[in-house]
Amino acid sequence: EDKVVQSPLSLVVHEGDTVTLNCSYEVTNFRSLLWYKQEKKAPTFLFMLTSSGIEKKSGRLSSILDKKELFSILNITATQTGDSAVYLCAVPFSGNTGKLIFGQGTTLQVKP
Amino acid sequence: DAGVIQSPRHEVTEMGQEVTLRCKPISGHDYLFWYRQTMMRGLELLIYFNNNVPIDDSGMPEDRFSAKMPNASFSTLKIQPSEPRDSAVYFCASSLSTASTGPQHFGDGTRLSIL
Repeated sequence: EDKVVQSPLSLVVHEGDTVTLNCSYEVTNFRSLLWYKQEKKAPTFLFMLTSSGIEKKSGRLSSILDKKELFSILNITATQTGDSAVYLCAVPFSGNTGKLIFGQGTTLQVKP
Repeated sequence: DAGVIQSPRHEVTEMGQEVTLRCKPISGHDYLFWYRQTMMRGLELLIYFNNNVPIDDSGMPEDRFSAKMPNASFSTLKIQPSEPRDSAVYFCASSLSTASTGPQHFGDGTRLSIL
């Protein structure tokens, strides 16, 4: 059964801290992994990863994929209160479909 | 560019009533997805369309739920009759390609409360 598990489920840090969010997956036919950030409304797309070891970076956020160990991490450096959100990880279901399976999400709270 | 547009933003109604949620995908996107999000179950896919054709509705909870996509720029999700356990945030998303080659873009959701 295809599965995505995120950890931790919640995290509280102070501004300036660095955080690492984890996403492990089990799919029969892996093709990609996506990270989203969800504040009060819609999930917004952050990264899509397809190759192991190649870091994707956007400002203070970065992400990397390990296809051998079946996980990805999302790093946020020098956190700000605006980084407070739920971070979702998703992978396409096995088979050539458009379906994504989402993890439970990690709720990040950044305190001033 | 306009993103995915959903309406209404909030809906409060009594159980037994019919509820219709609406979605306008991003122009040119040929995949459209309906999701439901709750605290208990997270984000769940209900149904998705490709080129206006329903491809997989295995996530639709039961016969009370139905979805249509009469054309490339409009889709509806209908619940009839509604029940309190249907209370959730319903998201519509669209994408240009399959999930393996491109991201899905989400609307702001409809927060549905069934009393």
